[in-house]
Amino acid sequence: AQSVTQLGSHVSVSEGALVLLRCNYSSSVPPYLFWYVQYPNQGLQLLLKYTTGATLVKGINGFEAEFKKSETSFHLTKPSAHMSDAAEYFCAVITNQAGTALIFGKGTTLSVSS
Amino acid sequence: EPEVTQTPSHQVTQMGQEVILRCVPISNHLYFYWYRQILGQKVEFLVSFYNNEISEKSEIFDDQFSVERPDGSNFTLKIRSTKLEDSAMYFCASSEARPGPPGGAEKLFFGSGTQLSVL
Repeated sequence: AQSVTQLGSHVSVSEGALVLLRCNYSSSVPPYLFWYVQYPNQGLQLLLKYTTGATLVKGINGFEAEFKKSETSFHLTKPSAHMSDAAEYFCAVITNQAGTALIFGKGTTLSVSS
Repeated sequence: EPEVTQTPSHQVTQMGQEVILRCVPISNHLYFYWYRQILGQKVEFLVSFYNNEISEKSEIFDDQFSVERPDGSNFTLKIRSTKLEDSAMYFCASSEARPGPPGGAEKLFFGSGTQLSVL
């Protein structure tokens, strides 16, 4: 069965600091992995995704994530936080062949202070 | 960028009443979804819809739930007899193709949600 665990429901950083949001997945087959972001009063938006190939993937707004099979992780990073990065971030996985159901983590709320 | 539109943004209903949540997916998309998020919990998959039929559904999507694409532009979720535990934020989403392997990984576009409160 697929599952996603996001460590830390709330992460606070200062503007300019490194952002690290953790995601671990459970899957018996190679997964497709996604990070979505939700700004207040908006729907979820795709930040980046991993399917196959290069394990370091770059997304929008300066975010990137690295797929580490040995650690079953897909942590999201950004070198320098901006105030506008404050939002809720969701990691998701899908493994089923021809599947349509994304399995989401509980989400991590990122706060950025000046 | 094109948007998925959901109405209403908030819906309050009495337990046992029927409720219909409405969504207008992006016009050239072929896959449609409903997800929900109970306060403080995970975003959960309910159902996907493709080619005018349910493609996949979760255990949550029991006989009380149904989906319909009545006119080629709207996509609705009906809850026949609401329960207190149905209170949640319901998200509609659409995509051009499916998100899963092989070869998919298609981006889902989500609406901003309908907050359903069952009293």
